[in-house]
Amino acid sequence: GAVVSQHPSWVICKSGTSVKIECRSLDFQATTMFWYRQFPKQSLMLMATSNEGSKATYEQGVEKDKFLINHASLTLSTLTVTSAHPEDSSFYICSARASWGVETQYFGPGTRLLVL
Amino acid sequence: GESVGLHLPTLSVQEGDNSIINCAYSNSASDYFIWYKQESGKGPQFIIDIRSNMDKRQGQRVTVLLNKTVKHLSLQIAATQPGDSAVYFCAENTLGGNKLTFGTGTQLKVEL
Repeated sequence: GAVVSQHPSWVICKSGTSVKIECRSLDFQATTMFWYRQFPKQSLMLMATSNEGSKATYEQGVEKDKFLINHASLTLSTLTVTSAHPEDSSFYICSARASWGVETQYFGPGTRLLVL
Repeated sequence: GESVGLHLPTLSVQEGDNSIINCAYSNSASDYFIWYKQESGKGPQFIIDIRSNMDKRQGQRVTVLLNKTVKHLSLQIAATQPGDSAVYFCAENTLGGNKLTFGTGTQLKVEL
């Protein structure tokens, strides 16, 4: 139980293009999903918190117009990196917290983004 | 912020030995703690959690110890196996809180 998937698992794109990453909770409903970014040999940095049916809450320093988050259903959240640049290359990981109220977050497998 | 050239602390153990991974947390209001295992190129995997009303919790081959007095958390892995090689992160939260705060991580290397 508590499986979270991400798609795609890796993506290479040209500078200036937009990339959409999907996060799905496969066997549970997630009222809250989280998006993290991780650079090599570093810890996870929270980018934003996404609640179903409402606007995402972004962490300080994260541009909401660049990293668009949509959480349209209890099982799907999307992160769109708009006008991607090489410095946006990173490992993006989502997590989901179950609607039954436990604080545990279950993580997806991550998406590797490389912007050329 | 991000640190360039950051090196993860590394713990090297022999296969079959016990491993102890430590974590210090700073928020005295934190009352829920989780250990995650992250293999290279993958997302973090939940290992075990503990609430602040406990000081020890055991799982399969793993034990988490919590010392609230000194704000210290540890993960003990019994009979460490090559498949345990990964980066281990502790994370803290407040009950009902919305965000996890992750530690810097420890690289566990299991030597044959």
